[in-house]
Amino acid sequence: GQQVMQIPQYQHVQEGEDFTTYCNSSTTLSNIQWYKQRPGGHPVFLIQLVKSGEVKKQKRLTFQFGEAKKNSSLHITATQTTDVGTYFCAGGTSYGKLTFGQGTILTVHP
Amino acid sequence: SAVISQKPSRDICQRGTSLTIQCQVDSQVTMMFWYRQQPGQSLTLIATANQGSEATYESGFVIDKFPISRPNLTFSTLTVSNMSPEDSSIYLCSVLTGRELFFGEGSRLTVL
Repeated sequence: GQQVMQIPQYQHVQEGEDFTTYCNSSTTLSNIQWYKQRPGGHPVFLIQLVKSGEVKKQKRLTFQFGEAKKNSSLHITATQTTDVGTYFCAGGTSYGKLTFGQGTILTVHP
Repeated sequence: SAVISQKPSRDICQRGTSLTIQCQVDSQVTMMFWYRQQPGQSLTLIATANQGSEATYESGFVIDKFPISRPNLTFSTLTVSNMSPEDSSIYLCSVLTGRELFFGEGSRLTVL
């Protein structure tokens, strides 16, 4: 079945440093979604990428979808303590099923 | 968007018992899913709850262990049957509206 691998598992940064998490699928994806889960909370949708090579920005967050639609990345510029949480990618199929990556736990030290 | 109410929010259960989790959505939705998130782990899809028909289960999950009801387009239940400590997890209801997957707050189950 479809597998979605995400690295790194953990990332500790100093406030102000950049952060990147990477996602790789074993199969070509229809779309990729990114979610953020704060400690003790539930996953919250951040964005969906659909097109090959697509790049989207949300303030300090930059999302990329690979040309082959099998990999993606999330980059945060100048992290803040509010960025703390687990970031999940989720590979989507054409019929709506999502396969989640293992998540990257981000810790930001003030 | 969708607002999802899930209960119980948490429970401590004895081995061998069963617990039913309820999920109420504030609008009619076609696609409703149940996920499990084990401690420190990612989200694993248990099943898709289909309105008016049997749920569609993912590999490794069976109806006898996780019976699901979907009586209408705003409500679903997931039962965790004959629980063991390995079932200790967060169970999340989610709905697909447009392109976004909205999650309930989750039900944190601890099985002793």
